[in-house]
Amino acid sequence: KNQVEQSPQSLIILEGKNCTLQCNYTVSPFSNLRWYKQDTGRGPVSLTIMTFSENTKSNGRYTATLDADTKQSSLHITASQLSDSASYICVVSATNNNDMRFGAGTRLTVKP
Amino acid sequence: NAGVMQNPRHLVRRRGQEARLRCSPMKGHSHVYWYRQLPEEGLKFMVYLQKENIIDESGMPKERFSAEFPKEGPSILRIQQVVRGDSAAYFCASSSFIDGQGFYNEQFFGPGTRLTVL
Repeated sequence: KNQVEQSPQSLIILEGKNCTLQCNYTVSPFSNLRWYKQDTGRGPVSLTIMTFSENTKSNGRYTATLDADTKQSSLHITASQLSDSASYICVVSATNNNDMRFGAGTRLTVKP
Repeated sequence: NAGVMQNPRHLVRRRGQEARLRCSPMKGHSHVYWYRQLPEEGLKFMVYLQKENIIDESGMPKERFSAEFPKEGPSILRIQQVVRGDSAAYFCASSSFIDGQGFYNEQFFGPGTRLTVL
């Protein structure tokens, strides 16, 4: 069983709308959680990184939240744009630094 | 400061041939990671290397696959006697030093090499 589960698997929204992507994890002991954006045919690019003590972090129109007690994270995208169409990947690291667990990603499509 | 570079970007091989994928990490990075991504699937960790050392190869198939990161030059992922199931995108990532909290090990990804086995 994957230790990082993302939902939904795919999502289609209209341009200008908001959306929220979910990430649940069982990785332990927890070190940090990252959200990556992967455009089709490209490598992933980091959006945010959050450690145990951080509840929320923003990067432009992207806001990530973390609840370390329930082991859940969300990525909220506001005022979506066509360029937001991509896969969004949640990655959780254990305190063994090279032990990174990747979620399968959420495929977001923003339509005009 | 150039990012992580991978070449070739696209590689076509026939069954039974060898595939060599190269990765040059970001300047100053001494940690390299290789991942495989099958179509419509997430990234799967393969191997983690530091200069001249394989640190973790738990995600790499035991046969036909090997990786190295020599003192000089790029990291190489080698696949011998390729089969159709090896067709995938192979991503390399690099990071700088790692501290006890894992905070400084943010990985920067290359554009990937798309391997097609005919």
